[in-house]
Amino acid sequence: DIQMTQSPSSLSASVGDRVTITCRASQSIIMYLNWYQQKPGRAPNLLIYAASTLHAGVPSRFSGSGSGTDFTLTISSLQPEDFATYYCQQSYSTPYTFGQGTKLEIK
Amino acid sequence: DVQLVESGGGLAQPGGSLRLSCAASGFSFSSYWMHWVRQAPGKGLVWVSRIDSDGSDTNYADSVKGRFTVSRDNAKNTLYLQMNSLRPEDTAVYYCARHYVSNSADSWGQGTLVTVSS
Repeated sequence: DIQMTQSPSSLSASVGDRVTITCRASQSIIMYLNWYQQKPGRAPNLLIYAASTLHAGVPSRFSGSGSGTDFTLTISSLQPEDFATYYCQQSYSTPYTFGQGTKLEIK
Repeated sequence: DVQLVESGGGLAQPGGSLRLSCAASGFSFSSYWMHWVRQAPGKGLVWVSRIDSDGSDTNYADSVKGRFTVSRDNAKNTLYLQMNSLRPEDTAVYYCARHYVSNSADSWGQGTLVTVSS
């Protein structure tokens, strides 16, 4: 199985900050990398698929990059509603494993 | 609007069985592959299973292979997850999700809680 490692596990930041979350795959997944946002008690929401394509309705302050084994999710200017947990997921081969999550908290 | 509504969760004893359902509406259910994803209390997301649009092709996580079976009834717009030989570590909220581009999942249900305990 492909292992996904996210870093950091948690992050404190302020409104207006630029933040970056990284995700590393244990083998090449080309660009089969998705990012989800989850708020407490809610289902996940798709933010980015295919490493860098913004899902419909997702604000442009979110962006994704990378290929092969190393990927990043960047939020250019944090808004209050962005404080949540973020997960990467590889969808190159089943099982479609998730990273362990990054909890983004208000500083 | 796309809507996915899970049901069938509850308390089961170790070794017992449950069948989860996911009722779909607002889209052409029979055209979409579907996923099951679970989340243990306070833990991260874990992909469980995938089924293709006509139910002929399925995949499972190793942790549930041989115990769980995913199926669908396209006439009823419903996805199922039959869970047998349940273990305490299967305790989780189970989400169904619609397959999207690049094998992502673009629409999710609200989840149904399965608790396995004696």
